Amino acid sequence: GAGVSQTPSNKVTEKGKYVELRCDPISGHTALYWYRQSLGQGPEFLIYFQGTGAADDSGLPNDRFFAVRPEGSVSTLKIQRTERGDSAVYLCASSYAGTPNEQFFGPGTRLTVL
Amino acid sequence: AQSVTQLDSQVPVFEEAPVELRCNYSSSVSVYLFWYVQYPNQGLQLLLKYLSGSTLVKGINGFEAEFNKSQTSFHLRKPSVHISDTAEYFCAVGSADGLTFGKGTHLIIQP
Repeated sequence: GAGVSQTPSNKVTEKGKYVELRCDPISGHTALYWYRQSLGQGPEFLIYFQGTGAADDSGLPNDRFFAVRPEGSVSTLKIQRTERGDSAVYLCASSYAGTPNEQFFGPGTRLTVL
Repeated sequence: AQSVTQLDSQVPVFEEAPVELRCNYSSSVSVYLFWYVQYPNQGLQLLLKYLSGSTLVKGINGFEAEFNKSQTSFHLRKPSVHISDTAEYFCAVGSADGLTFGKGTHLIIQP
């Protein structure tokens, strides 16, 4: 079956612009996670959805970051007024009902803010 | 709060030699431990996980890991590595809300 997909694979934007990153989880997975991976680092947790609601958004770095999952499937990570420090690979993962079940990761979106 | 420490940022190993990648964790709640592998230009893939039960966990591609509660460690091992094992390896501890990852260890296989 299809895995987790993320679009776009690469996004280049200018400082101050708004961007949206999309994640399509595996069908039937109720849990969805966003992580951010900076160069040379491990992924850092951003936000976790169980169904349509954000169960834990404690990893979002500031109020410029927001994520939605309106129908409990596709999720969009939104970043306002992008800054150069937002440049990273944004990873999405999904799992069946959450930890400790395996999280399946997408290939990521590489965001570059010029 | 949880944290994961991967003590080595890079580990060079000759092909067909054994390897151990070290991972130490701290967690105030029940421990779920994972090792993920990231091949060049690919997404993260689960190698193995420890949830409960036997402390020796076997995973894919001949890897295994041992959970040691007293030493708070979950080291990854393989008895004989191949060129195809060249990748970044991440240890992670899981909670109800997500995974906390270490910084990763780059396994470099030398012919």
